[in-house]
Amino acid sequence: AQSVAQPEDQVNVAEGNPLTVKCTYSVSGNPYLFWYVQYPNRGLQFLLKYITGDNLVKGSYGFEAEFNKSQTSFHLKKPSALVSDSALYFCAVRVLNYGQNFVFGPGTRLSVLP
Amino acid sequence: AAGVIQSPRHLIKEKRETATLKCYPIPRHDTVYWYQQGPGQDPQFLISFYEKMQSDKGSIPDRFSAQQFSDYHSELNMSSLELGDSALYFCASSLGGTSGRRRETQYFGPGTRLLVL
Repeated sequence: AQSVAQPEDQVNVAEGNPLTVKCTYSVSGNPYLFWYVQYPNRGLQFLLKYITGDNLVKGSYGFEAEFNKSQTSFHLKKPSALVSDSALYFCAVRVLNYGQNFVFGPGTRLSVLP
Repeated sequence: AAGVIQSPRHLIKEKRETATLKCYPIPRHDTVYWYQQGPGQDPQFLISFYEKMQSDKGSIPDRFSAQQFSDYHSELNMSSLELGDSALYFCASSLGGTSGRRRETQYFGPGTRLLVL
């Protein structure tokens, strides 16, 4: 079965410091990988995706993620965190032989402290 | 393995009509989420249910309502449809609720494509 794991329920980081939100996946087939962010009382917002090509993907708001096939990981990173980055972050995978349905991870709550 | 089932897969309605979308979660899953994805847009979270009770509420319009039944399937009821309601509506299911403890992977259904004319 396809699955996505986000091993940390909560990540705390000081403003200005680099941040990493971890994601690992388990799929059979080539995955399309996504990161979404959800702010309070709002829906999911797309951050970035990996389909093919360069393993380092740059997305919205200064975020980037690195696809690591050998470690089946797709960690989200940002060099310098902002307080406004505080939100719920979801990693997701989409696999063509799984009906192209999304499988989302459980989410990681990021808190950036001033 | 059984996946999330949504019905109907396609639906065409006229303005001011009503529509009901159904979602059947993966067996044993007790949590259901509804998302709306407009053309060229990201999925927007609408509402979720855990153990037949509403657990989280997102950007669901007042014209819409939803519920989760005793067999854990969920229905999204949409009234006074507007052209802007044309979208792909995803249902997702998971095991374990949406807050207070670790949430599990959300598995999405194939979506219902609603077209309002």
